[in-house]
Order: sequence, then structure tokens, then C-alpha cells
Amino acid sequence: QKEVEQNSGPLSVPEGAIASLNCTYSDRVSQSFFWYRQYSGKSPELIMSIYSNGDKEDGRFTAQLNKASQYVSLLIRDSQPSDSATYLCAVTNAGNNRKLIWGLGTSLAVNP
Amino acid sequence: DTEVTQTPKHLVMGMTNKKSLKCEQHMGHRAMYWYKQKAKKPPELMFVYSYEKLSINESVPSRFSPECPNSSLLNLHLHALQPEDSALYLCASSLSPARDRAHEQYFGPGTRLTVT
Repeated sequence: QKEVEQNSGPLSVPEGAIASLNCTYSDRVSQSFFWYRQYSGKSPELIMSIYSNGDKEDGRFTAQLNKASQYVSLLIRDSQPSDSATYLCAVTNAGNNRKLIWGLGTSLAVNP
Repeated sequence: DTEVTQTPKHLVMGMTNKKSLKCEQHMGHRAMYWYKQKAKKPPELMFVYSYEKLSINESVPSRFSPECPNSSLLNLHLHALQPEDSALYLCASSLSPARDRAHEQYFGPGTRLTVT
């Protein structure tokens, strides 16, 4: 059973701090990795995609991928109260790259 | 523009009703998806269309019937639903998958469905 695991949280950080969200996956041949943000009652919004080992930065967001250790993380710098949401990690593998395998999400609370 | 639109936003239907959910994208994407999401759970894949052909059906009950009239439109026809089918129904689209990587999926705002 291919799995994606995330800490459910809630992860609580003060405003302006760095929030670090982690995700591990079980399938070694996973190839595509995505982070989605979902506000309560809304649909998932794509934040980052990453395909190669290393870091990928986009504004205040940095995704980090380590295929050898089978983890992907999302760092949010200068966290804002508006970043308070559930963050979903999703992974695909070479067997079927139209099908996302989802983690259960980490709830992030940024406190003013 | 990464917009996927869905109508209606909310739908209340009885167990004997027939209704349809609609989804549209104008990004030139050739893969379109239907998901179902329950509270505090991740989205659950239902169907995938690739180049207007059904490529994945995740063993969804026949009371849900998808249709892809053209490359921009995706419908989900609903018939004889059960109260447990109440959920947020999400449409997504992506570039048609390449051999070595999956392209990003962009979600619409969803239809909140309540079955009474």
C-alpha cells in the first residue's frame, strides 16, 4: 500500500516565524511531489510542485525534496495569519502519474 | 490563468432526484478529474478523463455518471444518491501527463452537495 504521511498538527507558530511542514512517502519510485493549501470550506490550492532533489523557492515558500530519505518538506518564511490553513502533501509515482496519493494534511495556525 | 470553474456552488437534492454538476476550464488542459472530499479528509479520486476519454474509474457506484462533452467541459450526472454521498465535489484539470512526470492539478472551487 503506497502511503503518504504527515503530522496532523495543529502546528502553531507565531507571526513572522518559519513554519516547517513535513511529509514522508513509502513508494521509492515516486516522481512528482505537490503541496496544496486548503482553507476551511474551500478547495485545495496548489502552492508548490517539485520533481528533483534539492530546494525550490517561490516567494515565501520553499519546497525541499530528498528522494533517498523519501521525504518532502515545505517551509513558509515570515508566516502570516493568512497562512493558517491545512497543508496537503500529494505524490505520484511512475505507475500512474494521473493519480495523486494524498497525505491527511497538517493544520497550521499562525498566531498574531 | 489557472481557473477552473464549477457550477452550481451549492446543491441540495433528494434521493430520487437527478442533477448534474458542471466543470469548465480554458487552459488547454487535456486531463480532467472528479474528486469527492469529506470533512477533514483529503480529496478522493473518482474519475479521470484524458483527451476526452475516461481513463480511470475508481470503482465509483453507477449512481455517479461522468461525461466529457469536449476538451473544456466535464459533467458529473447524479441519480438516486444516498445521504452519505453528501460531500464537496471537486473538479480539477492538468496538462495531459507526460511519461516521466505528473503535471500540476488545478482545482475548481467545488460544489457542496447535500443529499436529503
